[in-house]
Amino acid sequence: NAGVTQTPKFRILKIGQSMTLQCTQDMNHNYMYWYRQDPGMGLKLIYYSVGAGITDKGEVPNGYNVSRSTTEDFPLRLELAAPSQTSVYFCASSPLGQVRETQYFGPGTRLLVL
Amino acid sequence: AQSVTQLDSHVSVSEGTPVLLRCNYSSSYSPSLFWYVQHPNKGLQLLLKYTSAATLVKGINGFEAEFKKSETSFHLTKPSAHMSDAAEYFCVVSEWGNTGKLIFGQGTTLQVKP
Repeated sequence: NAGVTQTPKFRILKIGQSMTLQCTQDMNHNYMYWYRQDPGMGLKLIYYSVGAGITDKGEVPNGYNVSRSTTEDFPLRLELAAPSQTSVYFCASSPLGQVRETQYFGPGTRLLVL
Repeated sequence: AQSVTQLDSHVSVSEGTPVLLRCNYSSSYSPSLFWYVQHPNKGLQLLLKYTSAATLVKGINGFEAEFKKSETSFHLTKPSAHMSDAAEYFCVVSEWGNTGKLIFGQGTTLQVKP
């Protein structure tokens, strides 16, 4: 199994450009999450999804959008890139959204906005 | 609200000596607690988790953690550090409910000197 895959690995954007970060999991997990990690900080939740067609905001959703049309895919959209969005983005998934559940993380996408 | 505090941002040990990474949590209910490890330019990997069973939890690569309710702590230990243990370590608490949302500490960088 590939687990959770993310593309691209690294991207440089100019201010105001848009892009989509791709996330795919092959474990048939219902729950998927997007986090961002700023230097020297822990991960902060951007958006999450409890199943296809259902998404909700996390702690830091401003400037981002998500959709979940299939169980496997959970893309993250940046519409108007800003320098504050320079970060490392991680996608994760888990079978169920229970408190004891392990989340499985992708390798991350490093984004630089100039 | 739940939260975690990692008491050291950076820990340096010599190879073969014990490792102690400290974590305190705040929760109004019996929490689920995790330790994740992040090697440079990699995604996060679960080391171990506490889910209200045994208070001493054993994880991968010789790590273990003890849940102490009276001290609201969940410190991570390893008897003998290896060079490959050098990484970023995150203490994490799971938010109560059916969303599976995780709340991360700020991380502890473990340096292992030869």
